[in-house]
Amino acid sequence: SYVLTQPPSVSVAPGKTARITCGGNNIGSKNVHWYQQKPGQAPVLIIYYDNDRPSGIPERFSGSNSGNMATLTISWVEAGDEADYYCQVWDSSSDHRGVFGTGTKVTV
Amino acid sequence: EVQLVESGGGLLQPGGSLRLSCAASGFSFIDYSMNWVRQAPGKGLEWISFITSSSSTIYYADSVKGRFTISRDNAKNSVYLQMSSLRAEDTGVYYCAREGPNCSGHRCYSDTNFGFWGQGTLVTVSS
Repeated sequence: SYVLTQPPSVSVAPGKTARITCGGNNIGSKNVHWYQQKPGQAPVLIIYYDNDRPSGIPERFSGSNSGNMATLTISWVEAGDEADYYCQVWDSSSDHRGVFGTGTKVTV
Repeated sequence: EVQLVESGGGLLQPGGSLRLSCAASGFSFIDYSMNWVRQAPGKGLEWISFITSSSSTIYYADSVKGRFTISRDNAKNSVYLQMSSLRAEDTGVYYCAREGPNCSGHRCYSDTNFGFWGQGTLVTVSS
């Protein structure tokens, strides 16, 4: 089965840049999506297809994907960005299924 | 405004059955695939099932295959998850999620992301 690995936690000072990695075998050949989940709330899609943003998501959020690593970058971090972040792909290699990363807690 | 409202969660014993519902509004339900995603207490997200708009294609995670059944009623704008042979490890918040954008620029894709989520319903399996 396809596995996505994220660091458990990332700490960043306000105004700085946070980078959250998502490692997977040849993940660069897949489409990567990112979600933000704040405590007690449902997840929210913040990046789709590697680097597209849904309406309402600030430009401070961006993504990249190449080789065996995808990265979510949060620029000019704000206190309100403190949350759990999950990467996700759709794995069609053997069976069709959604796969989430292990999740990263961002502390500001 | 897209709205997804789950219901049907509760406390039940191992081996029991439960049916979750998700009522959709604010969009053309018949045009979208739907999913169920769960989250065990203090843990990460786990995708568990997918159904296309016409119910012609259905997928399950290995962890629930043979025990859970996804279905939908387009006339009622609802998607369901019938759960049976429940185990303690099935405990968690169950979210229904609508497919999100499937195009980027001029390219469109067949894979799925989860563009809109309900607030979730809690299922607790315990003796």
